[in-house]
Amino acid sequence: DTAVSQTPKYLVTQMGNDKSIKCEQNLGHDTMYWYKQDSKKFLKIMFSYNNKELIINETVPNRFSPKSPDKAHLNLHINSLELGDSAVYFCASSQIGGRNTIYFGEGSWLTVV
Amino acid sequence: LAKTTQPISMDSYEGQEVNITCSHNNIATNDYITWYQQFPSQGPRFIIQGYKTKVTNEVASLFIPADRKSSTLSLPRVSLSDTAVYYCLVGDNPVNGGSQGNLIFGKGTKLSVKP
Repeated sequence: DTAVSQTPKYLVTQMGNDKSIKCEQNLGHDTMYWYKQDSKKFLKIMFSYNNKELIINETVPNRFSPKSPDKAHLNLHINSLELGDSAVYFCASSQIGGRNTIYFGEGSWLTVV
Repeated sequence: LAKTTQPISMDSYEGQEVNITCSHNNIATNDYITWYQQFPSQGPRFIIQGYKTKVTNEVASLFIPADRKSSTLSLPRVSLSDTAVYYCLVGDNPVNGGSQGNLIFGKGTKLSVKP
């Protein structure tokens, strides 16, 4: 059973399009995250949700909009895609009441052409 | 936010013990140290976590000196499959009033294991 699963794994799309990446965790965690890893391999946190409430919102263009319908899901919607959005997007989760060990999904490879 | 510094890269050979040191001079009293491993084309994976002295699990050992200003991840008898990037994170759970340091990934150490 995959603990943190995200779809799609690969996504190639044209500039200007709108796309979504879905994420689900079956670990019963309260907190979910989106991270972005660019071509230089820097892994940066974008958003964090705790029980469906946004608690971390790093400096991310407002074209990126996370949505959490329930604490097991955190989807990422991206409007008006740009070339610079090409990256690997990782969904993750943790149990905020504990030591906050983060469990990552396998990543979604987004290529904007 | 406790900043961490680790070597950009390290090379090793199969069967050797590898020690990766992370410096965190401004670690706070409640901060703990967590190491993650990331293979190519995968998400990071938790390896080990500790607060002081020594922690050991089936994968690695973590050595933390008394002043806690650094920590060393020790991988015994590495194999080719240990080739990965290793990240050191320092922080406390935000729900405990801590910083977000345990959510911030630095550049990591790229370990290359050769046959």
